[in-house]
Amino acid sequence: DAMVIQNPRYQVTQFGKPVTLSCSQTLNHNVMYWYQQKSSQAPKLLFHYYDKDFNNEADTPDNFQSRRPNTSFCFLDIRSPGLGDAAMYLCATSRDKGGTEQFFGPGTRLTVL
Amino acid sequence: GQNIDQPTEMTATEGAIVQINCTYQTSGFNGLFWYQQHAGEAPTFLSYNVLDGLEEKGRFSSFLSRSKGYSYLLLKELQMKDSASYLCAVRDFSGGYNKLIFGAGTRLAVHP
Repeated sequence: DAMVIQNPRYQVTQFGKPVTLSCSQTLNHNVMYWYQQKSSQAPKLLFHYYDKDFNNEADTPDNFQSRRPNTSFCFLDIRSPGLGDAAMYLCATSRDKGGTEQFFGPGTRLTVL
Repeated sequence: GQNIDQPTEMTATEGAIVQINCTYQTSGFNGLFWYQQHAGEAPTFLSYNVLDGLEEKGRFSSFLSRSKGYSYLLLKELQMKDSASYLCAVRDFSGGYNKLIFGAGTRLAVHP
């Protein structure tokens, strides 16, 4: 089945130690998104790629970076995780920028010790 | 600014009907989505409205009034598995591209 895959599902890192979360998709969608969702809060868009074009949200901290080496893969890099970065990180895709339905991956729950 | 409001929690009885309301304020409205999210899982798509009126899909219906900035999700014949958070999300084009702005979600508890 076509899907959005996130690895790992659970990630534990230490304060200040760089961490990378990965997302892959078999839907061949042009747009890939990264959201941060803290407990009982709304998913918050961090950035998205339309093909190779990167769009950063104005309030996304510089600590968060992203890479999209090809259509299928997208990475979220957290350069120096703080305790406040502990959250669920959701990857989503959509076919185009028209904002059609977004398909979400299962998420990676990040714990910062 | 952009603002989406929905009740924090609701409870209902198995077999009953429940309506979850959502009000929004956005400068570039371009559609409204409802997603279901079980605890610790990713949101899954339920419905999409871009024009005023009611969209029905099985046990789930969603209504939109653009002039009032209002939507609701109606769940019929409630089942225990419907216990989840329901997220209202507005598609907004004010930044020059479409993006989803989510509400904090309504946690629905279905009791026997």
